[in-house]
Amino acid sequence: GEDVEQSLFLSVREGDSSVINCTYTDSSSTYLYWYKQEPGAGLQLLTYIFSNMDMKQDQRLTVLLNKKDKHLSLRIADTQTGDSAIYFCAENSGYSTLTFGKGTMLLVSP
Amino acid sequence: DSGVTQTPKHLITATGQRVTLRCSPRSGDLSVYWYQQSLDQGLQFLIQYYNGEERAKGNILERFSAQQFPDLHSELNLSSLELGDSALYFCASSVAEGGVGANVLTFGAGSRLTVL
Repeated sequence: GEDVEQSLFLSVREGDSSVINCTYTDSSSTYLYWYKQEPGAGLQLLTYIFSNMDMKQDQRLTVLLNKKDKHLSLRIADTQTGDSAIYFCAENSGYSTLTFGKGTMLLVSP
Repeated sequence: DSGVTQTPKHLITATGQRVTLRCSPRSGDLSVYWYQQSLDQGLQFLIQYYNGEERAKGNILERFSAQQFPDLHSELNLSSLELGDSALYFCASSVAEGGVGANVLTFGAGSRLTVL
């Protein structure tokens, strides 16, 4: 079945780059997503990547996809304290539903 | 504000009781999804409706049911509540049914259910 794995916690200093990693199992996933959840809020889409792409850049965010290893990463450049949140990786499993990882808590210290 | 409205924001009830969670999707979105978020299980997909019809079913217990009404709002009914049902319940909506193209879900802020 589908499964999405993420490390649970990452701590960085303000100004550093953060890299959040994710592995997925469904090789038929056509899109992979990154969502962000701030305290007390719902999930907010950050970006997504089509499975035939290796990389996508959007301002401070860079997504890398290694389809052979089923590995997805999210790099946040110049991480700010406002980036502290839980980051979820997701794959589209089946026709319409998304399967999410358990989330990586990013803590940015000044 | 994401445009997806969930009520109530917080709910405290006792074991054995029944509750209804309500969701209004973003304007123009036809699909509604329900997810359950707990510390141990993470974010679990429960069920999806598209334009009033059930489209996909996930790990939804038999004690739980949902529906989508003609005005596209959706309700999730949880009955015979147990302590383990305490969780954050999210509703999300999307324009399409799924399939072709990226399926971008817009999430509400969630309904936090506490069962005592």
